[in-house]
Amino acid sequence: DGGITQSPKYLFRKEGQNVTLSCEQNLNHDAMYWYRQDPGQGLRLIYYSQIVNDFQKGDIAEGYSVSREKKESFPLTVTSAQKNPTAFYLCASSIARRGHPHTEAFFGQGTRLTVV
Amino acid sequence: QKEVEQNSGPLSVPEGAIASLNCTYSDRVSQSFFWYRQYSGKSPELIMSIYSNGDKEDGRFTAQLNKASQYVSLLIRDSQPSDSATYLCAVNLDNYGQNFVFGPGTRLSVLP
Repeated sequence: DGGITQSPKYLFRKEGQNVTLSCEQNLNHDAMYWYRQDPGQGLRLIYYSQIVNDFQKGDIAEGYSVSREKKESFPLTVTSAQKNPTAFYLCASSIARRGHPHTEAFFGQGTRLTVV
Repeated sequence: QKEVEQNSGPLSVPEGAIASLNCTYSDRVSQSFFWYRQYSGKSPELIMSIYSNGDKEDGRFTAQLNKASQYVSLLIRDSQPSDSATYLCAVNLDNYGQNFVFGPGTRLSVLP
């Protein structure tokens, strides 16, 4: 089955600790995204990547880092610099090629991160 | 600042009624428009996409787009309790299909 897999589903972080959220897709999509969602709020873009080895900051990139070493994978690291990381993190992917504007984003199941 | 706005909720409708969800966007070059449904604690799932002015129907769902007014809506006919969720409007801004902006969402409650 094609899709986007995020792991883990639940993650607990201690103060001052870095944690990495995994996102893998087998849809052969070019673009991948990380969003943060706080309770009762919409999605806020953290980082996105159009191609391997390239990524851009979104609206709330501070305290986060990403890598895109493979087309299928786009892990997100929540660093100790992120002071309020408790949230629901969503990874998404889409086709992203010139001449294909009408493409939707598909989401993984999400990772719920809690600081303990 | 590219923005997508949605009517504030929560929106409550009785079972069997029509639910109307509205969305406006600020960027005139927007190319594609999407409605996602998100159940509590779950990830968003795509329910409708629309690219041209007019109406697009899929079962009980109808999306309406008016680019001149920068307005897109979602109508849910014969609303069911299972339609109770948050509905997110999303706009794709460019020709590469990768610049998505999401609205804050409208929470819909369908009362039995």
